Amino acid sequence: QITLKESGPTLVKPTQTLTLTCSFSGISLTTYGVGVGWVRQPPGKALEWLALIYWDDDQRFSPSLRSRLTIAKDTSKNQVVLTLTNIDPVDTATYYCIHTPDPTGVGLGRYFHHWGQGTLVTVSS
Amino acid sequence: QSVLTQPPSVSGAPGQRVTISCTGNSSNIGAGYDVHWYQQFPGAGPKLLIYANKNRPSGVPDRFSGSKSGTSASLAITGLQAEDEADYYCQSCDISLGDYVFGTGTKVTVL
Repeated sequence: QITLKESGPTLVKPTQTLTLTCSFSGISLTTYGVGVGWVRQPPGKALEWLALIYWDDDQRFSPSLRSRLTIAKDTSKNQVVLTLTNIDPVDTATYYCIHTPDPTGVGLGRYFHHWGQGTLVTVSS
Repeated sequence: QSVLTQPPSVSGAPGQRVTISCTGNSSNIGAGYDVHWYQQFPGAGPKLLIYANKNRPSGVPDRFSGSKSGTSASLAITGLQAEDEADYYCQSCDISLGDYVFGTGTKVTVL
């Protein structure tokens, strides 16, 4: 059974840095093709992909947020950490941890097979 | 930003068939990238419903089906049930706007 769980602050002040941790089980970021990353959803709005880190340490970021995002993995702890700098009220959202499996033989382009329950982060002074 | 366009809402009576469109362009769906669909209930995280255009993960009822043609894709729900009332999002890849993009989302209402 694959599970992902997000943890981090629920309230962050503007200009601060947000750090979120995804702790997962049932998958390994040492397995070929596997990726773990983040998607967010502002209240009442659509989903927005943020970042992914792959088994080979390749990292991908949303172009609109690239300058503010970092992502790192700790394979010994089965964790992925996302940081978002210079946070603003528009960054208020539920942040989801996601898992993408090896797409070999499936098709062209990855999908997000498993999702965490999400964590709501509010940005306010 | 959402570069895949979906209708804001669709509705149908129980037992009816409804379809949700997902319209992209030559940088995403039209470039040959697969389309995937997610179902999201209020207050819950999304769940993978269809992957690679038409494949259902284990446990997804066969009343859900997907298709893709040209620069668009569709999700069909046949034999609509009250429990299908949720938000639905399509997702693909985009070679010019970043690796992964989502649709604008569609709310399905069962009348």
